[in-house]
Amino acid sequence: EIQLQESGPGLVKPSQSLSLTCSVTGYTITSGYDWSWIRKFPGNKMEWMGYISYSGSTNYNPSLKSRISITRDTSKNQFFLQLNSVTTEDTATYYCARSIPSDYWGQGVMVTVSS
Amino acid sequence: DIVLTQSPALAVSLGQRATISCRASQSVSISRYNLMHWYQQKPGQQPKLLIYRASNLASGIPARFSGSGSGTDFTLTINPVQADDIATYYCQQSRESPHTFGAGTKLELK
Repeated sequence: EIQLQESGPGLVKPSQSLSLTCSVTGYTITSGYDWSWIRKFPGNKMEWMGYISYSGSTNYNPSLKSRISITRDTSKNQFFLQLNSVTTEDTATYYCARSIPSDYWGQGVMVTVSS
Repeated sequence: DIVLTQSPALAVSLGQRATISCRASQSVSISRYNLMHWYQQKPGQQPKLLIYRASNLASGIPARFSGSGSGTDFTLTINPVQADDIATYYCQQSRESPHTFGAGTKLELK
């Protein structure tokens, strides 16, 4: 069974970096598909943030391009999100997901940006 | 960016048909592929893929869910609506990056 699980701090201070990990079991991330980060803001707006492909190439939402980085550790079958210079507007529930359309999702991790 | 427009809410009675629409600001179809997808999300849960490429039922999804449309206009139909279907429904396009979502339609009981 394919499972994705997000982990990371639930509270980040403004101007700092947000770092999250997505651990994947049941499928090897280098075997295929794109591996995405998606967030849902309070008020329910959903935003696709970007992905890292099975080959390691990345594609980012231009609205985040200067602040976002998605990387991976293939030995651990994990991929990562780093979002720099966060503000309160980055407060959201962050999900990792497989592919677009996304057929497998993590449970999500709520991240609050606050001092 | 492609903007997807959904009605904020829809009230329906149990056992009736619900029709949820999603309109794109430009075509999301390439050749015969209609690159619109539908998700269901309940409070406290992750989104669940219902329909991919406009009309294809995702694995494990009941046949009372169906999708249609092409170009800029797409529809998710639930027939008949069951109590378990009360949720928020999102459309998403994969025609071009960024892969935008609609604002969601909250399905409510009448």
